[in-house]
Amino acid sequence: GNSVTQMEGPVTLSEEAFLTINCTYTATGYPSLFWYVQYPGEGLQLLLKATKADDKGSNKGFEATYRKETTSFHLEKGSVQVSDSAVYFCALREALNFNKFYFGSGTKLNVKP
Amino acid sequence: DVKVTQSSRYLVKRTGEKVFLECVQDMDHENMFWYRQDPGLGLRLIYFSYDVKMKEKGDIPEGYSVSREKKERFSLILESASTNQTSMYLCASSTPRAEGYTFGSGTRLTVV
Repeated sequence: GNSVTQMEGPVTLSEEAFLTINCTYTATGYPSLFWYVQYPGEGLQLLLKATKADDKGSNKGFEATYRKETTSFHLEKGSVQVSDSAVYFCALREALNFNKFYFGSGTKLNVKP
Repeated sequence: DVKVTQSSRYLVKRTGEKVFLECVQDMDHENMFWYRQDPGLGLRLIYFSYDVKMKEKGDIPEGYSVSREKKERFSLILESASTNQTSMYLCASSTPRAEGYTFGSGTRLTVV
């Protein structure tokens, strides 16, 4: 079946540090991959996406590359800010069922000044 | 610029009460979803609907039902609330071939 595995948090970094949040997936076919972000007290917002192998999604300084050979979609940012503190969710959407998303358990990021 | 609106941010209900969680979207999306979010478990799909009066069970439908009488509104119903239904509930909507969901801000339900 389909599933998404994220690194457990919380991840605590100092401002301007480099961020990596690992995400691996199991899926049949060729899913689309997503990162969502949830700021405190809010719902989830789409951060970036990639729809095929080797695609790179990017937004607000965050990047993730769809690696089919390692079934991974790791989230990276070169220099985090306090305002990036949030919970980050990796997700996949089935190739044949656009209604079906699978979410990871979320990784909480704390950025200290 | 609000797209998906959940009627309550916080709710406290008693065990055995019938609870209605309302969700409205203004984007004319066909698909609507209800998830619950629990620490360490991420998001789990309860029900979804791909058209008016249509619904499908998600991964954890037990103890819940839904109603979609109009395209813009998708209601989640807890027929008899129990303490294990204390959770954050998230509504989302999308078009059939959407690249992603649009989520509401969530309703934090506490059942006492």
